[in-house]
Amino acid sequence: DIVMTQSPDSLAVSLGERATINCKSSQSLLYRSDNKNYLAWYQQKPGQPPKLLFYWASIRESGVPDRFSGSGSGTDFTLTINSLQTEDVAVYYCHQYHITPLTFGGGTKVEIK
Amino acid sequence: EVQLAESGGGLVQPGRSLRLSCTCSGFTFGDYAMSWVRQAPGKGLEWVGFIRNKAFGGTTEYAASAKGRFIISRDDSKNVAYLQMNSLKSEDTAVYYCAVWFGEFKYWGQGALVTVSS
Repeated sequence: DIVMTQSPDSLAVSLGERATINCKSSQSLLYRSDNKNYLAWYQQKPGQPPKLLFYWASIRESGVPDRFSGSGSGTDFTLTINSLQTEDVAVYYCHQYHITPLTFGGGTKVEIK
Repeated sequence: EVQLAESGGGLVQPGRSLRLSCTCSGFTFGDYAMSWVRQAPGKGLEWVGFIRNKAFGGTTEYAASAKGRFIISRDDSKNVAYLQMNSLKSEDTAVYYCAVWFGEFKYWGQGALVTVSS
């Protein structure tokens, strides 16, 4: 199974500052036949289902603010929130869909400092 | 507007069965694979399994924790996906989400709480 390891488990960032979340996979998520990274990011607020933010590691889902960015390739990926807003308080998950069983990172809780 | 609505959750005793339904609208249901993802109280997300659409054989795949006990099916005439859960254990207690599977999970339902307890 591909293990997804997120860091940190939680972080507190001041309003307007940058939040950076890392995700490392135990195997490469880059599929050479299409040169795509099979990695997605989700945001989950309390009492709500997860919301897709990025797929193919860096393709922003429609409606996601551009202060969010996804990057990385292979086994190392990053979700960056520039200029953190109060509505960004949530838990963020990375997810690999390269190989079954599909797996998620453990989540990173983002709070306001 | 895409909508997914889970139903059928509740309290069930260990060893018993429960079937969840996911009723969908706003998209051509038969064109997409459907998946179930669960979240135990205060924990992270765990993939349960998915069912491909008919064009890809309607085949299923499951997480190890679900294999042999859970069955995912679909009724394209009703736009509904099902999760049949048998031999339930306390560790199956979770909110169960259905999601449209594009590879990534693009659309999610609000979830159904399943509590396994005597």
